[in-house]
Amino acid sequence: KNEVEQSPQNLTAQEGEFITINCSYSVGISALHWLQQHPGGGIVSLFMLSSGKKKHGRLIATINIQEKHSSLHITASHPRDSAVYICAAHPGGTSYGKLTFGQGTILTVHP
Amino acid sequence: DSGVTQTPKHLITATGQRVTLRCSPRSGDLSVYWYQQSLDQGLQFLIQYYNGEERAKGNILERFSAQQFPDLHSELNLSSLELGDSALYFCASSVDSGNFYEQYFGPGTRLTVT
Repeated sequence: KNEVEQSPQNLTAQEGEFITINCSYSVGISALHWLQQHPGGGIVSLFMLSSGKKKHGRLIATINIQEKHSSLHITASHPRDSAVYICAAHPGGTSYGKLTFGQGTILTVHP
Repeated sequence: DSGVTQTPKHLITATGQRVTLRCSPRSGDLSVYWYQQSLDQGLQFLIQYYNGEERAKGNILERFSAQQFPDLHSELNLSSLELGDSALYFCASSVDSGNFYEQYFGPGTRLTVT
């Protein structure tokens, strides 16, 4: 079992739908990243959070440290949101910032 | 644009060869991380440097090595290449070491070993 698990693995939506991607982790963490990877391959950091909730435009990320769970929400989805979304955990302790990654969620938004 | 640059963008080479991937961190960032993304393994942490010194090691093969230079750019050396080394190699940088600093990713180097 991976230390960081995402669900679903694949997600198809119609433009305008509300989307949720989930991330669960089994290790103690100090912070969690949400990353976006477009078909060209480049990775963009969307959020880093260690508690509560962060919002940027149509994207919202939440984390519950006690339940070891984080969610990424996209409101009013658009075809340009189509990408792979990856959660990545900063393990707690003296791990000097290395990230442990989920397997990614492939999101396709149809017009 | 994250401010992290990687060269080359694409690299095609043969088995048994050696290649060097280069990464320049964002201005002011002292920490550099190398990650490998392959189809079967996903993204994996390889190694981290902070201000010229190795800080953490992950699933890095003995055939691979890295270093960070005084100007803070970093190089990842891959030798005795095998078909299974074909992957995307990303570097990321952060202002400091540790778990509370956001990492910014470069565009990646796509390595194809034939």
